[in-house]
Amino acid sequence: DGGITQSPKYLFRKEGQNVTLSCEQNLNHDAMYWYRQDPGQGLRLIYYSQIVNDFQKGDIAEGYSVSREKKESFPLTVTSAQKNPTAFYLCASSRFGLGQILAGVNYEQYFGPGTRLTVT
Amino acid sequence: SQELEQSPQSLIVQEGKNLTINCTSSKTLYGLYWYKQKYGEGLIFLMMLQKGGEEKSHEKITAKLDEKKQQSSLHITASQPSHAGIYLCGADVDSGGGADGLTFGKGTHLIIQP
Repeated sequence: DGGITQSPKYLFRKEGQNVTLSCEQNLNHDAMYWYRQDPGQGLRLIYYSQIVNDFQKGDIAEGYSVSREKKESFPLTVTSAQKNPTAFYLCASSRFGLGQILAGVNYEQYFGPGTRLTVT
Repeated sequence: SQELEQSPQSLIVQEGKNLTINCTSSKTLYGLYWYKQKYGEGLIFLMMLQKGGEEKSHEKITAKLDEKKQQSSLHITASQPSHAGIYLCGADVDSGGGADGLTFGKGTHLIIQP
């Protein structure tokens, strides 16, 4: 079955350590996204990638890094520079990316199950 | 500033009652997406609206986008315990087709009382 996976579901780290969250999709989607969710704040965009080997900062990119070496993978590294890393992280993908804006097309984003990161 | 305002923030309704959740923007919404989330889990896509005046239904849930494409409402008829969760609206507010990521509301926490 096609879908988007994130692992692990729960992750615990000590303060000062970098940690990488995995996101894989087999939907052949061009675009992938990372969101962070905190209670009462809704989802906020961290990074997004429209195409392999290219990615853009979202609203809250500071303290995070990403790579897009393969179309199906978009790992997120939470660095020690991120001041409040404890949160729920959601990865998403959509069929079309940059330069493919077509009228009437559904740009639905498919979400993974999420990873809850706790840093102590 | 919050580009998408969702209301109410939380809602407690008795099982069997109808309810409505609203999502409002000061900008034109080029694509409006409704999601449901059980806390701490991934989002489940419910419906997507693009045209002014469009209305879609899925089981007992109906979503509408107003003619101006600045407000959407999600209506649940005869609510059931399975409807409980957090409802999020997401929208493309820059006509980029959502390619730059969607803007989300803060969510509405729905509780169904037996």
